[in-house]
Amino acid sequence: DTEVTQTPKHLVMGMTNKKSLKCEQHMGHRAMYWYKQKAKKPPELMFVYSYEKLSINESVPSRFSPECPNSSLLNLHLHALQPEDSALYLCASSLIVTGTSYEQYFGPGTRLTVT
Amino acid sequence: GEDVEQSLFLSVREGDSSVINCTYTDSSSTYLYWYKQEPGAGLQLLTYIFSNMDMKQDQRLTVLLNKKDKHLSLRIADTQTGDSAIYFCAEPRDDKIIFGKGTRLHILP
Repeated sequence: DTEVTQTPKHLVMGMTNKKSLKCEQHMGHRAMYWYKQKAKKPPELMFVYSYEKLSINESVPSRFSPECPNSSLLNLHLHALQPEDSALYLCASSLIVTGTSYEQYFGPGTRLTVT
Repeated sequence: GEDVEQSLFLSVREGDSSVINCTYTDSSSTYLYWYKQEPGAGLQLLTYIFSNMDMKQDQRLTVLLNKKDKHLSLRIADTQTGDSAIYFCAEPRDDKIIFGKGTRLHILP
């Protein structure tokens, strides 16, 4: 199994809603990542989890709250988002996080629209 | 500079070869990556090259690495309509992957 899955595929939410994005992998990877991607731009790193602990937060606003309940699951909790937060949210995983990195495997993404 | 640089757009006739170029920043990078992103989809790891190699070939894909000039290229032989996508060059840095802006490959009939 070399797949990273993400749910939901699409999400429309109002600015006062609370929602969660989910990501799952069963490759035994111990590093998991959240990225945000705007149209025609490269992915921007948001968070890195290494062995279920948050290791990198790229100064992401607190309306985005990540959670790693176990080594296979990664959630992104959303609250009081702004329309400019509308984007494709990508999850990725890699065997481990090191200074030279291992290749990351990406999920298909959740297309988020904030109204 | 600190950016991974790529040209933004490439147009190629079906059946011809496509060559996508990239300039990276860190001469000590151990691996360098090419990712492919089709419309509406996530990123797919297409291939990678270890820094002690000059060339890697995988079916229609050839990766060339010039460490002296920090230049990486991806050649797609016999380009097909299914190759239409955005191709991202990427290098690891400080437990992250740094992506180029992506090259949009357009296939002409």
